[in-house]
Amino acid sequence: AQSVTQLDSQVPVFEEAPVELRCNYSSSVSVYLFWYVQYPNQGLQLLLKYLSGSTLVESINGFEAEFNKSQTSFHLRKPSVHISDTAEYFCAVEAGGYNKLIFGAGTRLAVHP
Amino acid sequence: DAGVIQSPRHEVTEMGQEVTLRCKPISGHNSLFWYRQTMMRGLELLIYFNNNVPIDDSGMPEDRFSAKMPNASFSTLKIQPSEPRDSAVYFCASSQPGAGRSYEQYFGPGTRLTVT
Repeated sequence: AQSVTQLDSQVPVFEEAPVELRCNYSSSVSVYLFWYVQYPNQGLQLLLKYLSGSTLVESINGFEAEFNKSQTSFHLRKPSVHISDTAEYFCAVEAGGYNKLIFGAGTRLAVHP
Repeated sequence: DAGVIQSPRHEVTEMGQEVTLRCKPISGHNSLFWYRQTMMRGLELLIYFNNNVPIDDSGMPEDRFSAKMPNASFSTLKIQPSEPRDSAVYFCASSQPGAGRSYEQYFGPGTRLTVT
C-alpha cells in the first residue's frame, strides 16, 4: 500500500533563505509524485509533479523537487524564499487507478522578514 | 475553464440540521473526490466516484454522511443530522484518469462548515 510521510510539520525560515521540505513515500507500484500548495483560506493547487523521465522537476515559481528512488524521497526545495511562499505544502503519491492520491500530513512553511 | 465549483463557500448551521454541500467538477473530468480538512485530522479522503459511480466510501465517517453523483457535472455531500464535530472545510476535487490522463487532481475552493 502507498503512504507518504512529511517529516516536518512546521518549517520557519527567514526571507531569502533556502528551504527544504522533506517527503518520503512508500509504494509497491509505479510512482507518480506530487507537491501541492495551499495558501490561507484557499484550496490545494498543484505545484509540481513527477511522472517519469528527469528526476528533477521544477515549478514556475522557483521550487524544485528531486525524485530519489533509492531513498524513496521527493524533497521540495527553493534556493531563496519570499514572504509570499508562506503556505502549507502537501506531498502526495498516486494510489493506483482513478487518480486517487494519498496525501502527507502537510508542512506549514512560515517565511519571516 | 471555471475550475471546480463548490457551493456554498460558507455554511453555518445548528446541530441537528441537514447540510448539503455541492460540487461541479471540471467539464470532461470523470473522477470526483470529496475531502474534509481539520486542524486535528488534516486532509481526509471521504469518498470518490468514477463515471458517477462510488468507488470507495471507506472514508465516510458515519452513516450521517452520504454522497451522490447523479450526473457527470454535479455531486452532493449531505450530512444529516449535523453535529459540531462536523465543523471543517470540505473540498471537492476532480481528475481525468484513463487515456491521456494527467494524473493530478484539481481542487475547488472549499466549503467552510460551522455547526453550532
